[in-house]
Amino acid sequence: EVQLVESGGGLVQPGGSLRLSCVASGFTFRSYEINWVRQAPGKGLEWLSYISSSGSTIYYSDSVKGRFTISRDIAKNSLYLQMNSLRAEDTAVYYCAKVAVPGFYYFDYWGQGTLVTVSS
Amino acid sequence: DIVMTQSPDSLAVSLGERATINCKSSQSVLHSSNNKNYLAWYQQKPGQPPKLLIYWASTRESGVPDRFSGSGSGTDFTLTISSLQAEDVAVYYCQQYYSTPPTLTFGQGTRLEIK
Repeated sequence: EVQLVESGGGLVQPGGSLRLSCVASGFTFRSYEINWVRQAPGKGLEWLSYISSSGSTIYYSDSVKGRFTISRDIAKNSLYLQMNSLRAEDTAVYYCAKVAVPGFYYFDYWGQGTLVTVSS
Repeated sequence: DIVMTQSPDSLAVSLGERATINCKSSQSVLHSSNNKNYLAWYQQKPGQPPKLLIYWASTRESGVPDRFSGSGSGTDFTLTISSLQAEDVAVYYCQQYYSTPPTLTFGQGTRLEIK
C-alpha cells in the first residue's frame, strides 16, 4: 500500500524556520518525482515545489523561491522541505504528493498533510 | 502561467440528480505530440487530502465509481457526476499538467453540496 506521511509542522513565529518531512512507503521511491502542495485555511490548492526522481532537478513556485528548499534522501525514502523566513501567508496545510507516472505531473497519492501556522 | 478557472464556485444538487462542474484553461492543454489533454480532476472531502478522480481529461482512476466522468478538449472541460450520492459532497479541483513545474496550476475549486 502506497503511503506518504508528513511531519514537522507546528507553530512558528514570523521570520522563523521549520523543516517538513515526508516518509514514503509502498512504492519504489527512487523512481518517482515528488512535489509539495499547500492549502491555506479555507482556500484552494497551491503547487509549491518539485524534485525529480534523482534529485538533480528542482523547481519552486515564485511564492517560495529563495526561502524554501526541497530535498530527498533515497536511502531513507524521505522528502524534505526546509522553510526559512516564514511569513503569515505561509500558514497552510502542506502536502507531499507523488506523480502517478514519471514525467507526467498529476498526483495519484497524497499524504494527510501537516499544518504550519506562522504567527506571533 | 496557465490560469484554470472553474465554474460555478459552488453547486447544490439533489440526490440522484446530475452534477456538472466546468473548468476552463487560459490556453490549450492539448499536447500535439500525443493528442492528449493534460487535465486532471481531484475530489477533496473535509479534513482529507485531495483524491485523484480523472486524468488525461477523461480517464477514470482505478476504483473511482463510474458515475464520475470527465470530458472536453483544448481549453474547456467538464466533470460530471451522473447520479449524486451523499458521499460525493466535497470540493472538486481541476489541474493542468501541460506546463511542467514550476507552473503547475489548479482551479480555484467548486464546492458541491446536497440540495
